Amino acid sequence: ILNVEQSPQSLHVQEGDSTNFTCSFPSSNFYALHWYRWETAKSPEALFVMTLNGDEKKKGRISATLNTKEGYSYLYIKGSQPEDSATYLCAFNTNAGKSTFGDGTTLTVKP
Amino acid sequence: DAGVIQSPRHEVTEMGQEVTLRCKPISGHDYLFWYRQTMMRGLELLIYFNNNVPIDDSGMPEDRFSAKMPNASFSTLKIQPSEPRDSAVYFCASQGGSYEQYFGPGTRLTVT
Repeated sequence: ILNVEQSPQSLHVQEGDSTNFTCSFPSSNFYALHWYRWETAKSPEALFVMTLNGDEKKKGRISATLNTKEGYSYLYIKGSQPEDSATYLCAFNTNAGKSTFGDGTTLTVKP
Repeated sequence: DAGVIQSPRHEVTEMGQEVTLRCKPISGHDYLFWYRQTMMRGLELLIYFNNNVPIDDSGMPEDRFSAKMPNASFSTLKIQPSEPRDSAVYFCASQGGSYEQYFGPGTRLTVT
């Protein structure tokens, strides 16, 4: 059983605040780590895929880092906006093909 | 590419009826996943296929649930007989070599 844990479970911030949350995953048999953004009443959409220790990815105000040796990834949002409100899921892959998802961090950005 | 296509988008049925959900994955993707989203359990993996072959169906809740993938471009998830507790949003996702999953829009099932 692969445990993928995300923290915190939920987060409320004010518009303009910067925030970050964590995904922890097994450090053995690592193949890839994904971040997804899931808005209410929509389907999850891929944000980043990271495969190498030390990877850093950035898309606008959102960025992510990866540490495969210790088994964690951080997602950062700089200057949060109300439209950033969503659940952020991480998913861990070994090379077996199946992704194991965390339970997500639900971010609410208040105007 | 139109992305992952699911039908119907909404289904309302009475308890005891058979329900069939359909999915067309992205062409060229060799993995297909069926998920269920509920308030209580979040996103649950029900079953997944690799090259049309079911690999892991341990998430299928009961024998009332079955899934097939007769070819690379089509999969079905069937519930027979349906029960009110099956009410949820069912997502299909397909995956290629990068292991990044592309989700369909979901089917919202309501069983009364």
